[in-house]
Amino acid sequence: NAGVTQTPKFRILKIGQSMTLQCAQDMNHNYMYWYRQDPGMGLKLIYYSVGAGITDKGEVPNGYNVSRSTTEDFPLRLELAAPSQTSVYFCASSGITYEQYFGPGTRLTVT
Amino acid sequence: TQLLEQSPQFLSIQEGENLTVYCNSSSVFSSLQWYRQEPGEGPVLLVTVVTGGEVKKLKRLTFQFGDARKDSSLHITAAQPGDTGLYLCAGVEYGNKLVFGAGTILRVKS
Repeated sequence: NAGVTQTPKFRILKIGQSMTLQCAQDMNHNYMYWYRQDPGMGLKLIYYSVGAGITDKGEVPNGYNVSRSTTEDFPLRLELAAPSQTSVYFCASSGITYEQYFGPGTRLTVT
Repeated sequence: TQLLEQSPQFLSIQEGENLTVYCNSSSVFSSLQWYRQEPGEGPVLLVTVVTGGEVKKLKRLTFQFGDARKDSSLHITAAQPGDTGLYLCAGVEYGNKLVFGAGTILRVKS
């Protein structure tokens, strides 16, 4: 039982490049989330999903896109990377209690 | 979206001291969660409080949910260096989103 897995762990992007952050969970959770965390700060919700085929914007969705074609996977897409997107990205999943299980994070630097 | 204010932002104490972290909102949450995050890792759930006035204990950690379900506190007795980390509270809105506080960075010196 791996829980929530994220790839890659680290990535450096140039301004304007695109990339996809991968997230998978094996707990059969319906709810999945993407957060970003800036240094010494809390978590800001980017997008979330309540089930396959259903996604919705969180607090800071601009510059990101998501899809949820299966229960297990919830990739996050950055289309035109900007320095403001330098952050640590966490994927999480939860069941009906909304208790979040977090992945190990992806540390992204945009230069 | 409801806001959660967490205080203090940073706490540096000596081993053996007691401390309390507060999480406050002007709005009501259906439940409230506390997480602890170590450097380089994702947050890990410590406890969920659901009922107004509820008190839960986890070894030296005591969590309390306010009677009106608008605030919560985390009290650590006899802090140890292993308690060092970022403590986050998160309120569950009536729906399916969590609202996170900005976090309290705790450093316990030996």
